[in-house]
Amino acid sequence: EVVMTQSPVTLSVSPGERATLSCRASQSVSHNLAWYQQKHGQAPRLLIYGASTRATGIPARFSGSGSGTEFTLTISSLQSEDFAVYYCQQYDNWPPLTFGAGTKVEIK
Amino acid sequence: QVQLVESGGAVVQPGRSLRLSCAASGFTFSNYGMHWVRQAPGKGLEWVAIIFYDGSNKYYADSVKGRFTISRDNTKNTLYLEMGSLRAEDTAIYYCVRNFLGQGRIAAAYFAHWGPGTLVTVSS
Repeated sequence: EVVMTQSPVTLSVSPGERATLSCRASQSVSHNLAWYQQKHGQAPRLLIYGASTRATGIPARFSGSGSGTEFTLTISSLQSEDFAVYYCQQYDNWPPLTFGAGTKVEIK
Repeated sequence: QVQLVESGGAVVQPGRSLRLSCAASGFTFSNYGMHWVRQAPGKGLEWVAIIFYDGSNKYYADSVKGRFTISRDNTKNTLYLEMGSLRAEDTAIYYCVRNFLGQGRIAAAYFAHWGPGTLVTVSS
């Protein structure tokens, strides 16, 4: 099973600032990595797939990078609606599909 | 547009069974692999199971293997999850999710379409 490790657990950021979230895989997953945003009481929303491709309707301030075992989600200028929990998920070596434990982005 | 609506969540005693359903609309259901993903209260996401578009293959997380069964009825555009021998640790919101790409492109196992989820609570 591919273990996904996200850091930090919590990220405190001021509106307008840049946020950088990390996701590490226990073995290479090539570019087969997705990012999701989840707000309280809602289902997750797909942000990025293929490590760097934005999903339909996702603003350009969200960008993904990385390959192999190291991945990054960057939010270039945080808006109020971006404060949420973010998950990474690998779909390279499965079953099982595996998610990271999440990074909570909170207002500083 | 794509719609997925789960139902069947309930409070159930340990050891009992429960069946969840997911009604799909807005796309050709029989063309897509479908998954269940769950989230325990205050916790992260856990993939549970997948069924291929034609029902030919099914895979499960180790935590539910032998206790849960995923199935589908393509004539009714409905996905099911039969949950048996329920445990307290199965308490979660269960989401029905659609594979990103259809038919044989099951490798695109990421999720743009989620249902709102249905809550299963296992408690005596």
